[in-house]
Amino acid sequence: DTAVSQTPKYLVTQMGNDKSIKCEQNLGHDTMYWYKQDSKKFLKIMFSYNNKELIINETVPNRFSPKSPDKAHLNLHINSLELGDSAVYFCASSQITDSYSGANVLTFGAGSRLTVL
Amino acid sequence: GNSVTQMEGPVTLSEEAFLTINCTYTATGYPSLFWYVQYPGEGLQLLLKATKADDKGSNKGFEATYRKETTSFHLEKGSVQVSDSAVYFCALPTNDYKLSFGAGTTVTVRA
Repeated sequence: DTAVSQTPKYLVTQMGNDKSIKCEQNLGHDTMYWYKQDSKKFLKIMFSYNNKELIINETVPNRFSPKSPDKAHLNLHINSLELGDSAVYFCASSQITDSYSGANVLTFGAGSRLTVL
Repeated sequence: GNSVTQMEGPVTLSEEAFLTINCTYTATGYPSLFWYVQYPGEGLQLLLKATKADDKGSNKGFEATYRKETTSFHLEKGSVQVSDSAVYFCALPTNDYKLSFGAGTTVTVRA
Protein backbone atom coordinates (compact mmCIF):
# COMPACT_ATOMS: atom_id res chain seq x y z
CA ASP A 1 0.00 0.00 0.00
CA THR A 2 1.67 3.20 -1.20
CA ALA A 3 2.04 5.75 1.60
CA VAL A 4 2.04 8.88 -0.59
CA SER A 5 0.60 8.39 -4.04
CA GLN A 6 0.53 10.90 -6.86
CA THR A 7 -1.29 10.81 -10.15
CA PRO A 8 -0.49 11.03 -12.95
CA LYS A 9 3.13 9.88 -12.97
CA TYR A 10 3.71 11.43 -16.39
CA LEU A 11 1.91 14.35 -17.97
CA VAL A 12 2.68 15.74 -21.43
CA THR A 13 0.67 18.75 -22.53
CA GLN A 14 0.68 21.85 -24.70
CA MET A 15 1.45 25.39 -23.60
CA GLY A 16 -1.61 27.24 -22.45
CA ASN A 17 -3.46 24.17 -21.18
CA ASP A 18 -4.69 23.68 -17.61
CA LYS A 19 -3.75 20.51 -15.72
CA SER A 20 -4.04 19.01 -12.24
CA ILE A 21 -1.91 16.64 -10.22
CA LYS A 22 -3.48 14.73 -7.35
CA CYS A 23 -1.88 13.50 -4.16
CA GLU A 24 -3.14 11.26 -1.38
CA GLN A 25 -1.44 10.01 1.78
CA ASN A 26 -2.57 7.16 4.01
CA LEU A 27 -0.11 7.79 6.83
CA GLY A 28 -2.45 9.86 8.96
CA HIS A 29 -0.07 12.83 8.72
CA ASP A 30 -1.39 16.31 9.39
CA THR A 31 0.77 18.20 6.88
CA MET A 32 1.24 17.91 3.13
CA TYR A 33 3.58 19.68 0.70
CA TRP A 34 4.24 20.32 -2.96
CA TYR A 35 7.83 20.57 -4.16
CA LYS A 36 9.14 21.32 -7.64
CA GLN A 37 12.36 19.66 -8.80
CA ASP A 38 14.12 21.14 -11.81
CA SER A 39 16.39 19.43 -14.29
CA LYS A 40 19.42 20.05 -12.04
CA LYS A 41 17.66 18.22 -9.17
CA PHE A 42 17.19 21.42 -7.19
CA LEU A 43 14.15 21.18 -4.90
CA LYS A 44 11.93 24.17 -4.29
CA ILE A 45 9.03 24.12 -1.88
CA MET A 46 5.83 25.57 -3.28
CA PHE A 47 3.02 25.04 -0.81
CA SER A 48 2.13 23.31 2.40
CA TYR A 49 -1.14 22.58 4.18
CA ASN A 50 -1.54 21.65 7.81
CA ASN A 51 -4.95 20.17 8.60
CA LYS A 52 -6.38 21.81 5.48
CA GLU A 53 -4.93 25.21 6.36
CA LEU A 54 -2.38 26.81 4.03
CA ILE A 55 0.82 27.38 6.03
CA ILE A 56 3.45 27.77 3.33
CA ASN A 57 2.82 29.74 0.17
CA GLU A 58 6.11 30.43 -1.54
CA THR A 59 6.64 32.88 -4.33
CA VAL A 60 5.17 30.94 -7.21
CA PRO A 61 3.07 32.27 -10.08
CA ASN A 62 -0.60 32.52 -9.18
CA ARG A 63 -1.26 30.14 -12.07
CA PHE A 64 -0.47 27.47 -9.47
CA SER A 65 -3.25 26.78 -7.01
CA PRO A 66 -3.24 24.11 -4.33
CA LYS A 67 -6.40 22.61 -2.91
CA SER A 68 -6.74 20.43 0.14
CA PRO A 69 -10.22 18.93 0.50
CA ASP A 70 -9.15 17.03 3.61
CA LYS A 71 -5.91 16.36 5.42
CA ALA A 72 -5.22 13.21 3.40
CA HIS A 73 -5.38 14.94 0.02
CA LEU A 74 -3.53 17.82 -1.58
CA ASN A 75 -4.03 18.61 -5.24
CA LEU A 76 -2.13 21.03 -7.46
CA HIS A 77 -3.86 22.82 -10.32
CA ILE A 78 -1.85 24.71 -12.90
CA ASN A 79 -3.45 27.16 -15.31
CA SER A 80 -2.06 28.40 -18.61
CA LEU A 81 0.94 26.11 -18.61
CA GLU A 82 4.28 27.51 -19.75
CA LEU A 83 7.45 25.83 -20.99
CA GLY A 84 9.21 26.72 -17.74
CA ASP A 85 6.69 24.69 -15.76
CA SER A 86 8.27 21.50 -17.08
CA ALA A 87 9.66 19.73 -14.03
CA VAL A 88 9.04 16.89 -11.63
CA TYR A 89 6.49 17.77 -8.96
CA PHE A 90 6.69 15.92 -5.67
CA CYS A 91 4.04 15.62 -3.04
CA ALA A 92 5.16 14.89 0.51
CA SER A 93 3.63 14.53 3.94
CA SER A 94 4.79 14.76 7.53
CA GLN A 95 3.56 14.94 11.06
CA ILE A 96 4.61 18.29 12.48
CA THR A 97 5.25 18.14 16.19
CA ASP A 98 6.31 21.76 16.34
CA SER A 99 7.32 24.36 13.84
CA TYR A 100 11.07 24.09 14.42
CA SER A 101 12.66 21.06 15.91
CA GLY A 102 9.70 18.88 15.14
CA ALA A 103 11.88 16.42 13.26
CA ASN A 104 10.38 17.14 9.88
CA VAL A 105 10.69 13.67 8.44
CA LEU A 106 9.02 13.93 5.07
CA THR A 107 7.56 11.00 3.18
CA PHE A 108 7.63 11.70 -0.54
CA GLY A 109 5.55 10.43 -3.39
CA ALA A 110 7.22 9.04 -6.51
CA GLY A 111 6.80 12.30 -8.41
CA SER A 112 4.81 13.55 -11.39
CA ARG A 113 6.89 14.48 -14.42
CA LEU A 114 5.26 17.36 -16.28
CA THR A 115 6.43 18.14 -19.80
CA VAL A 116 5.05 21.24 -21.49
CA LEU A 117 5.51 21.38 -25.26
CA GLY B 1 17.49 31.64 8.29
CA ASN B 2 18.69 28.07 8.59
CA SER B 3 20.37 26.65 5.51
CA VAL B 4 22.72 23.92 4.30
CA THR B 5 25.55 24.01 1.82
CA GLN B 6 26.31 20.75 0.14
CA MET B 7 29.25 19.56 -1.91
CA GLU B 8 28.47 19.81 -5.58
CA GLY B 9 28.76 16.83 -7.85
CA PRO B 10 28.60 14.84 -9.81
CA VAL B 11 30.70 12.25 -8.06
CA THR B 12 31.77 9.09 -9.90
CA LEU B 13 33.32 6.19 -8.02
CA SER B 14 34.24 2.57 -8.51
CA GLU B 15 32.57 -0.15 -6.47
CA GLU B 16 34.05 -0.60 -2.99
CA ALA B 17 35.46 2.93 -2.98
CA PHE B 18 35.01 5.27 -0.01
CA LEU B 19 32.37 7.97 -0.37
CA THR B 20 32.21 11.31 1.42
CA ILE B 21 29.70 14.03 0.66
CA ASN B 22 30.29 17.26 2.56
CA CYS B 23 27.47 19.20 4.14
CA THR B 24 27.78 22.28 6.33
CA TYR B 25 24.95 24.15 7.96
CA THR B 26 24.02 27.57 9.27
CA ALA B 27 21.41 27.51 11.99
CA THR B 28 19.95 29.19 15.01
CA GLY B 29 20.14 26.71 17.81
CA TYR B 30 20.65 23.01 17.15
CA PRO B 31 18.01 21.67 14.82
CA SER B 32 17.82 18.07 13.66
CA LEU B 33 19.86 17.27 10.56
CA PHE B 34 18.92 14.87 7.79
CA TRP B 35 20.23 13.08 4.74
CA TYR B 36 17.71 12.11 2.09
CA VAL B 37 18.41 9.89 -0.93
CA GLN B 38 16.68 9.88 -4.29
CA TYR B 39 17.15 6.75 -6.39
CA PRO B 40 16.60 7.05 -10.15
CA GLY B 41 12.96 7.58 -11.02
CA GLU B 42 11.83 7.74 -7.41
CA GLY B 43 10.94 10.28 -4.77
CA LEU B 44 13.22 11.25 -1.93
CA GLN B 45 13.41 9.02 1.11
CA LEU B 46 14.98 9.56 4.48
CA LEU B 47 18.41 7.93 4.67
CA LEU B 48 19.43 8.95 8.19
CA LYS B 49 19.08 11.70 10.75
CA ALA B 50 20.66 13.11 13.88
CA THR B 51 18.72 15.10 16.43
CA LYS B 52 21.46 16.65 18.55
CA ALA B 53 25.14 17.53 18.58
CA ASP B 54 27.54 14.56 18.52
CA ASP B 55 24.75 12.20 17.46
CA LYS B 56 25.64 9.77 14.70
CA GLY B 57 22.96 8.72 12.26
CA SER B 58 23.45 5.50 10.34
CA ASN B 59 21.57 3.40 7.81
CA LYS B 60 22.44 1.06 4.92
CA GLY B 61 26.16 1.39 5.70
CA PHE B 62 26.02 5.20 5.55
CA GLU B 63 26.97 7.34 8.54
CA ALA B 64 26.91 11.03 9.39
CA THR B 65 27.90 12.74 12.64
CA TYR B 66 26.35 16.01 13.82
CA ARG B 67 29.39 18.18 14.56
CA LYS B 68 28.63 21.43 16.32
CA GLU B 69 32.25 22.66 16.31
CA THR B 70 32.56 22.54 12.54
CA THR B 71 28.80 22.96 11.79
CA SER B 72 29.00 19.90 9.59
CA PHE B 73 27.06 16.73 8.87
CA HIS B 74 29.17 14.92 6.28
CA LEU B 75 27.84 11.68 4.80
CA GLU B 76 30.23 8.72 4.53
CA LYS B 77 30.19 5.15 3.36
CA GLY B 78 33.19 2.90 3.49
CA SER B 79 32.49 0.68 0.49
CA VAL B 80 29.93 1.76 -2.08
CA GLN B 81 27.95 -0.48 -4.38
CA VAL B 82 26.38 0.14 -7.76
CA SER B 83 23.01 0.24 -6.01
CA ASP B 84 24.16 3.36 -4.09
CA SER B 85 23.99 5.38 -7.30
CA ALA B 86 21.54 8.15 -6.45
CA VAL B 87 21.16 11.83 -5.61
CA TYR B 88 21.88 12.67 -1.97
CA PHE B 89 20.40 15.70 -0.20
CA CYS B 90 21.40 17.23 3.10
CA ALA B 91 18.54 18.99 4.92
CA LEU B 92 17.54 20.80 8.09
CA PRO B 93 14.29 22.38 9.30
CA THR B 94 13.80 26.11 9.27
CA ASN B 95 11.65 27.78 11.90
CA ASP B 96 8.60 28.12 9.69
CA TYR B 97 7.52 24.55 8.97
CA LYS B 98 9.94 24.14 6.06
CA LEU B 99 12.72 21.69 5.43
CA SER B 100 15.65 23.39 3.71
CA PHE B 101 17.40 21.06 1.25
CA GLY B 102 20.89 21.34 -0.15
CA ALA B 103 21.42 21.40 -3.90
CA GLY B 104 21.84 17.62 -4.09
CA THR B 105 24.89 15.56 -5.01
CA THR B 106 24.62 13.02 -7.81
CA VAL B 107 26.66 9.90 -7.12
CA THR B 108 27.37 7.29 -9.77
CA VAL B 109 29.07 4.04 -8.79
CA ARG B 110 30.63 2.01 -11.59
CA ALA B 111 31.10 -1.76 -11.43
